[in-house]
Amino acid sequence: DAGVTQSPTHLIKTRGQQVTLRCSPKSGHDTVSWYQQALGQGPQFIFQYYEEEERQRGNFPDRFSGHQFPNYSSELNVNALLLGDSALYLCASSLVNTWELFFGEGSRLTVL
Amino acid sequence: DQQVKQNSPSLSVQEGRISILNCDYTNSMFDYFLWYKKYPAEGPTFLISISSIKDKNEDGRFTVFLNKSAKHLSLHIVPSQPGDSAVYFCAASYYGGSQGNLIFGKGTKLSVKP
Repeated sequence: DAGVTQSPTHLIKTRGQQVTLRCSPKSGHDTVSWYQQALGQGPQFIFQYYEEEERQRGNFPDRFSGHQFPNYSSELNVNALLLGDSALYLCASSLVNTWELFFGEGSRLTVL
Repeated sequence: DQQVKQNSPSLSVQEGRISILNCDYTNSMFDYFLWYKKYPAEGPTFLISISSIKDKNEDGRFTVFLNKSAKHLSLHIVPSQPGDSAVYFCAASYYGGSQGNLIFGKGTKLSVKP
């Protein structure tokens, strides 16, 4: 049973560029949440998708957007990258209205 | 403004002894709390949780205690094993919000020495 898979695992971008990160949820899960983890910090909630719609959003600017596909996989897009966007981006899947999140290994983004 | 605080960045414990990891929160609306464990190069994995209607929840070697009046929770690991060495994150949420929206602390790195 495959867990949560994320791609790419590492990537380097320059300021002003755009990035797309991808996530496949654990089999049977219908909800995907995205988190940003800066160095030395805990994960910070970006947003959650369920039934292809953004269900809740954390305190992140509109440069951060997402999408969920009919097969429950999801993408996180970040436009106009800033140096401060350098972080580990974690995808977590779950069943709707449950607390236990299953996290992927993350995508490490470096912005130069 | 950190709503969930783990004030000890690191903790070192001898194998077989008890590990106690602490977490404080400031938002009185929080009513569900979770602990996650993270190994290097892996995503966090769920460990144990507790609802605010309880003051203790136990799962094998892991017990979480909740003191609502002090806005404090702790994770006890007994006995500690070298494989428990990892970063432990405390997280909180509330029933009125989305269950996917967890507020995490900064984590405590536990080292269990053989």
